[in-house]
Amino acid sequence: SAVISQKPSRDICQRGTSLTIQCQVDSQVTMMFWYRQQPGQSLTLIATANQGSEATYESGFVIDKFPISRPNLTFSTLTVSNMSPEDSSIYLCSVAWGGGDTQYFGPGTRLTVL
Amino acid sequence: QKEVEQNSGPLSVPEGAIASLNCTYSDRGSQSFFWYRQYSGKSPELIMFIYSNGDKEDGSFTAQLNKASQYVSLLIRDSQPSDSATYLCAVKSGSQGNLIFGKGTKLSVKP
Repeated sequence: SAVISQKPSRDICQRGTSLTIQCQVDSQVTMMFWYRQQPGQSLTLIATANQGSEATYESGFVIDKFPISRPNLTFSTLTVSNMSPEDSSIYLCSVAWGGGDTQYFGPGTRLTVL
Repeated sequence: QKEVEQNSGPLSVPEGAIASLNCTYSDRGSQSFFWYRQYSGKSPELIMFIYSNGDKEDGSFTAQLNKASQYVSLLIRDSQPSDSATYLCAVKSGSQGNLIFGKGTKLSVKP
């Protein structure tokens, strides 16, 4: 496995603003993913962050709302744009090697939107 | 719609007992199966994975897979209060599929 860090660990934001979350891994990984975990719910995949190309988004998630970057094999960002209280959630990045079978999660970012 | 179902619990067992957590999935093409443990306020931690029918043991954990019944389970032997957490079942469909997570079963181990 690897050491995965996320910044910020938590934030409280105002409606209509944007927040960028960073995910850093201490070794090169093949795949990076972004998930959302709403209160009392399980994990929902937002998108797969592709190195050097546009992210692959899941149904219900769009690039304008959740732009993602992955400039190299150890780093990715997720931006939550034009936030509303419904975006209050924990956002998690995960990483995997090879085909992405076994995923390891970062510590998460707890976002509250007022 | 590919689904992964778990009993939300809470499942309460006494210390030292065997905790049995169950998961069913809808996609017969699923190939990889995972169990994650998530403590309150923390991120999911991988504890077991299984690919083939049968049992796989790792320490106090045993994962059981029955593809014909589309059923995967996790047994925790000699349960301790420190095992109290939410256990998430995750299933991957095919070589290119993504992980689909169940809603998790909350386990409480009483001293």
